[in-house]
Amino acid sequence: AQKVTQAQTEISVVEKEDVTLDCVYETRDTTYYLFWYKQPPSGELVFLIRRNSFDEQNEISGRYSWNFQKSTSSFNFTITASQVVDSAVYFCALSVSRGSTLGRLYFGRGTQLTVWP
Amino acid sequence: NAGVTQTPKFRILKIGQSMTLQCTQDMNHNYMYWYRQDPGMGLKLIYYSVGAGITDKGEVPNGYNVSRSTTEDFPLRLELAAPSQTSVYFCASSYSFNTQYFGPGTRLTVL
Repeated sequence: AQKVTQAQTEISVVEKEDVTLDCVYETRDTTYYLFWYKQPPSGELVFLIRRNSFDEQNEISGRYSWNFQKSTSSFNFTITASQVVDSAVYFCALSVSRGSTLGRLYFGRGTQLTVWP
Repeated sequence: NAGVTQTPKFRILKIGQSMTLQCTQDMNHNYMYWYRQDPGMGLKLIYYSVGAGITDKGEVPNGYNVSRSTTEDFPLRLELAAPSQTSVYFCASSYSFNTQYFGPGTRLTVL
């Protein structure tokens, strides 16, 4: 079975602080994909990143960076120099591409990030 | 491209009423999905489709039905609305196993 755990329910930081959102996943499949989505107060889900299980390279996109470690089954997300506009719920998700599961996403419960000015 | 569109944005139903949530995508994606999001929870899969004429159940299909007659459209039907179906519903689409792109959501309240 697939499972994603986001242990941090809520995080509050002050603008310009760095913040890391944790994501731990469980799967027995060797081929899988990990995702982060952002859900701002307006409610839509915005895709941020997709990583496959064979690519453990860290990725940086502007103020965002992601650390994928298969040894600890973690896919953490760091925002550097946070801004008020980063306030949102962030979801980590997992998909596997075998059999009848056919790429469906398994979501964590999300982390509510609040950035104060 | 409009991406994934959903209608309506908001709806209030009485217990026992029926309704259809509409979802359309213009990206020619073969896979489409319906999720529901309850407060403080992640999204859970209701139904999905890998192409026109092919649908299958997800984690929480009870009380819902779907159809997929075209590549673009994937409506979700609630036959006898119950308070437990109060939720935000998201439609998503993808090209095979690739990234899923989501619609703006439909907020449904059943009273």
